[in-house]
Amino acid sequence: AQKITQTQPGMFVQEKEAVTLDCTYDTSDPSYGLFWYKQPSSGEMIFLIYQGSYDQQNATEGRYSLNFQKARKSANLVISASQLGDSAMYFCAMREGVDSSYKLIFGSGTRLLVRP
Amino acid sequence: DTAVSQTPKYLVTQMGNDKSIKCEQNLGHDTMYWYKQDSKKFLKIMFSYNNKELIINETVPNRFSPKSPDKAHLNLHINSLELGDSAVYFCASSQDIGGQGLAYGQYFGPGTRLTVT
Repeated sequence: AQKITQTQPGMFVQEKEAVTLDCTYDTSDPSYGLFWYKQPSSGEMIFLIYQGSYDQQNATEGRYSLNFQKARKSANLVISASQLGDSAMYFCAMREGVDSSYKLIFGSGTRLLVRP
Repeated sequence: DTAVSQTPKYLVTQMGNDKSIKCEQNLGHDTMYWYKQDSKKFLKIMFSYNNKELIINETVPNRFSPKSPDKAHLNLHINSLELGDSAVYFCASSQDIGGQGLAYGQYFGPGTRLTVT
């Protein structure tokens, strides 16, 4: 079974508008972390935002916010006021547990294209 | 200042050759990783080292051998390269603080694009 599901292979958004990228996850571990990464066409992986399973509030980092709905097991990324430079692949990832097994499990990604 | 660096950035080689990719981080992190991103952009962990100790070894062919001479370096050596090894290989690092280590992301290097012909 997929641990991380991103159902939107590609999305368009108009510049200056907000966009939501979907991510659902599957885990039975009560302790986990959820991450979003951006991969522009240049190829590097850029860490955007983190949400812990015990965090009471949704994470925010500048124009990025994470809409965390624990009961629904969703961790959607919201990008406000889209910019042309936001065009990239976006990956949702999860890390389970609190021991040394710190691997990230990635979703298949969503390609976002911001239109001028 | 580059936080996580990898060399080389591009590597083109023939089947059957042996090659190495080097990774260094100057973030003072104690955990390092190798990930493979295939042609469909899917990212999967290969290995993880914590303070030079191997802690994650996914189902990777034993032609792949990681080596960590110190906690700032994690190299990947690949023997007898095959066409299917063509991918982008990412090194990453993180700082994990005991049982609260979930709070921090992994920081990735720029990737090494390996092409096997």
